[in-house]
Amino acid sequence: QQQVKQSPQSLIVQKGGISIINCAYENTAFDYFPWYQQFPGKGPALLIAIRPDVSEKKEGRFTISFNKSAKQFSLHIMDSQPGDSATYFCAARGRGSTLGRLYFGRGTQLTVWP
Amino acid sequence: DSGVTQTPKHLITATGQRVTLRCSPRSGDLSVYWYQQSLDQGLQFLIQYYNGEERAKGNILERFSAQQFPDLHSELNLSSLELGDSALYFCASSVAPQGGYEQYFGPGTRLTVT
Repeated sequence: QQQVKQSPQSLIVQKGGISIINCAYENTAFDYFPWYQQFPGKGPALLIAIRPDVSEKKEGRFTISFNKSAKQFSLHIMDSQPGDSATYFCAARGRGSTLGRLYFGRGTQLTVWP
Repeated sequence: DSGVTQTPKHLITATGQRVTLRCSPRSGDLSVYWYQQSLDQGLQFLIQYYNGEERAKGNILERFSAQQFPDLHSELNLSSLELGDSALYFCASSVAPQGGYEQYFGPGTRLTVT
């Protein structure tokens, strides 16, 4: 059972455009929502993260929007650049018996055309 | 560079064999997580250790085992290997047993079972 659902599977954006990736979750026991960026042949790199008591977090060109009531969160990449081309994963961290483990979405392959 | 190191980078072995993957966490991190990444399953949590003790288990096969040593490095042992075990195996580390809200991933070990 996929605990975190991510869309779209792939995304093509022109340079300078806005990239938007969406995630939804079912389990209300999640307490931390990170986004990871992965380049081919590399490990996932922590990009930005948010806790459910905050509705938005911005770091440079990257913004997470969080809607607790809808159990959805999204990543916005402003002024997308060719160097942003990578696979992006949303994740959610569980509490209780699943403390610490991350549940990942299936990933979004982003291509930014120059 | 996340500060998490993994060896070897690539591993090619035959079905039925046993391999050991090694991970050194970031300096000061007490918790180690193992994840498997494959095309059909995505990024899946396997197991977590904190300061030498097992803290959480995910969908880890009985043929797989792990341990964390006093110097905090960890090893993932995969035995009776099958073709379907071919995947990328990542180690991540964090400070606290509940993840300290940030997990940092190593570069991974690509396992190919022939």
